[in-house]
Amino acid sequence: NAGVTQTPKFQVLKTGQSMTLQCAQDMNHEYMSWYRQDPGMGLRLIHYSVGAGITDQGEVPNGYNVSRSTTEDFPLRLLSAAPSQTSVYFCASSRGTSDHRELFFGEGSRLTVL
Amino acid sequence: GQSLEQPSEVTAVEGAIVQINCTYQTSGFYGLSWYQQHDGGAPTFLSYNALDGLEETGRFSSFLSRSDSYGYLLLQELQMKDSASYFCAFQAGTALIFGKGTTLSVSS
Repeated sequence: NAGVTQTPKFQVLKTGQSMTLQCAQDMNHEYMSWYRQDPGMGLRLIHYSVGAGITDQGEVPNGYNVSRSTTEDFPLRLLSAAPSQTSVYFCASSRGTSDHRELFFGEGSRLTVL
Repeated sequence: GQSLEQPSEVTAVEGAIVQINCTYQTSGFYGLSWYQQHDGGAPTFLSYNALDGLEETGRFSSFLSRSDSYGYLLLQELQMKDSASYFCAFQAGTALIFGKGTTLSVSS
C-alpha cells in the first residue's frame, strides 16, 4: 500500500493564480482532511470529509475549496492564491468516521505564493 | 473555546528522560493523541489516551488526567534520533485539532 499520496511536492504560484493539490489514499479510509503548517503555528485544519459527498470546514477554510467524489481522493483547491497561503500542506486520513485518534499523513506539499 | 497548550521547546541530553506537557480546553473530549514530526516531514502517530492513566509503548509513555485537562508524553533513554517536533491533539467533533508543537533537541 502506498498510504496517503500528495502531489505536487513543491509548487510556486503567482498571486491570483489557482491550483489544485491532489491527495489520494489506498487504505479505504472514510475520513480525510487537509492541514496547513506554518512556523510556530502547528497544524491547522482547513477542511475535512467523513465520506464521499460530505465535506466540512475546519479552523482556517477561507480561500480553499474541497470536494470528495470518491473515497480515495480529496483534492484541495486554491481559488486565487495569496502570499498568506504560502505554507506546507498535509493531507491525512483515518479509518473511522467518528474516531480519529490516529491519522495517517502524506509527505506534504510545499507551496510558495509570490 | 478549544485550545491546546504545550511548551515550544525542550532540550535534553542523550540517555536522559524528558516530559512534554499538554494542557487542553474543550467542551467535548474523547481522548488525547501524540504525534512526532521529523524535519517537516509527515507527522506520525505515537500514542493515544482515552482514559486516565499511563500508556506505555517502548521508550515512550503517555499520561492523561481528564479531571485536570492535562496530559504528557514521557520519552526515556533519549537518543539523538528523538530530536523532532511533538504535537498533542484532541478530537473536536469529527476533526482532530493539534497544538502548536514542542521542538525537542537532544544533544550528546
